[in-house]
Amino acid sequence: DIVMTQSPDSLAVSLGATATINCKSSQSVFSSYTNEIYLAWYQQKTGQPPKLLISRASTRESGVPDRFSGSGSGTDFTLTISSLQTEDVAIYYCQQYLSTPYNFGQGTKLEIK
Amino acid sequence: QVHLQESGPGLLKPSETLSLTCTVSGGSIGNYYWTWIRQSPAKGLEWIGNVYYSGSTNYNPSLRSRATISVDTSKNQFSLQLTSVSTADVGIYYCARGAYCSYSSCSLRGFDPWGQGTRVIVSS
Repeated sequence: DIVMTQSPDSLAVSLGATATINCKSSQSVFSSYTNEIYLAWYQQKTGQPPKLLISRASTRESGVPDRFSGSGSGTDFTLTISSLQTEDVAIYYCQQYLSTPYNFGQGTKLEIK
Repeated sequence: QVHLQESGPGLLKPSETLSLTCTVSGGSIGNYYWTWIRQSPAKGLEWIGNVYYSGSTNYNPSLRSRATISVDTSKNQFSLQLTSVSTADVGIYYCARGAYCSYSSCSLRGFDPWGQGTRVIVSS
């Protein structure tokens, strides 16, 4: 199984500042067959299901503000949220979908400082 | 816009079988993988398994063969059965859409959309 580990578990960032969340996979999530990275980021607000923000490590989903960006390769990935707004308060999860079981990270809770 | 809605009993006794259905509206169930995921404070988000519209399935080995996922294309629904439930199975159960596959290739981009989730409680 591919284990996903996020850091930090929680962080508090000032409004307008940048939040950085890291995700590490226990093995590569790159598919040499399709030449794609099978890494997704989700945002979960209280009482709601997770929402897909970014797929293929860096492709923003339709309607996701461009202050959300994903980067990384191999086994190390980053979600960056710039110009932090109050509506960004949520728990963020990374997930690999290269091989089953499609494991998620433990989540990073983002709050406003 | 595709919408998913879970349904099924939310309160079970230990050793009973959990049965949930996900109804897909606003789009066809064809050519996609359909997924069950659960969330609990103890285990976080846990992928349970998926079913292709043709009926082929994949499961998380952690569930030790207790899970069965099936699809009914005539009703645009897919279902989850989980046998011998215990307090370890308590949580919110979500259905979600996964990869799109055509004859020659699949497009994978994570799970989207998700249903609102249904809470499952196990108590004697």
